[in-house]
Amino acid sequence: GESVGLHLPTLSVQEGDNSIINCAYSNSASDYFIWYKQESGKGPQFIIDIRSNMDKRQGQRVTVLLNKTVKHLSLQIAATQPGDSAVYFCAENDPGGFKTIFGAGTRLFVKA
Amino acid sequence: DTGVSQDPRHKITKRGQNVTFRCDPISEHNRLYWYRQTLGQGPEFLTYFQNEAQLEKSRLLSDRFSAERPKGSFSTLEIQRTEQGDSAMYLCASSLEGGGGYTFGSGTRLTVV
Repeated sequence: GESVGLHLPTLSVQEGDNSIINCAYSNSASDYFIWYKQESGKGPQFIIDIRSNMDKRQGQRVTVLLNKTVKHLSLQIAATQPGDSAVYFCAENDPGGFKTIFGAGTRLFVKA
Repeated sequence: DTGVSQDPRHKITKRGQNVTFRCDPISEHNRLYWYRQTLGQGPEFLTYFQNEAQLEKSRLLSDRFSAERPKGSFSTLEIQRTEQGDSAMYLCASSLEGGGGYTFGSGTRLTVV
């Protein structure tokens, strides 16, 4: 079946350090992946996406890497700030339908 | 346009009662989604509308759940005969065709007592 999972449930980093959040997916037919950030009491917020014809995409302070060979996705946050503290979800579009499938999330703690 | 709006933000209801939630998507977005999220978990897909047509429903959506989007704008999600297991955050999201991710609302937190 299809699933999206994360390697670590929590990640604690020092302010100013880089953060790396990892994710594994199981459906090799998935062709579109998204990272979302969710702060307490709010809905998930789109951060960055990547299509399967790419292996890297950069945004402002964030980079997503896609390794289709091992079905692995990562989110890198440069110079992590206290405002980056949140739960991060990787998600994949269902290639056979319209929905986005979310993983369980990784909670990022940023220590001042 | 201030984004996706959901109403109410919180709802406490007694088991067996019916509840209805409303979602107002971003006006230009023709795609609308309902998700459910429980504590410590990622959002789970419930249903999808393209304009007014409901094109996909999850097996999670039992007969007690119904969603509508009558004019292709706002949407409602009704839960009949609520059960304690229905307690969750109900999230609405909207998007344009062609990807770019969803814009989520802040959700309606349902507590069934």
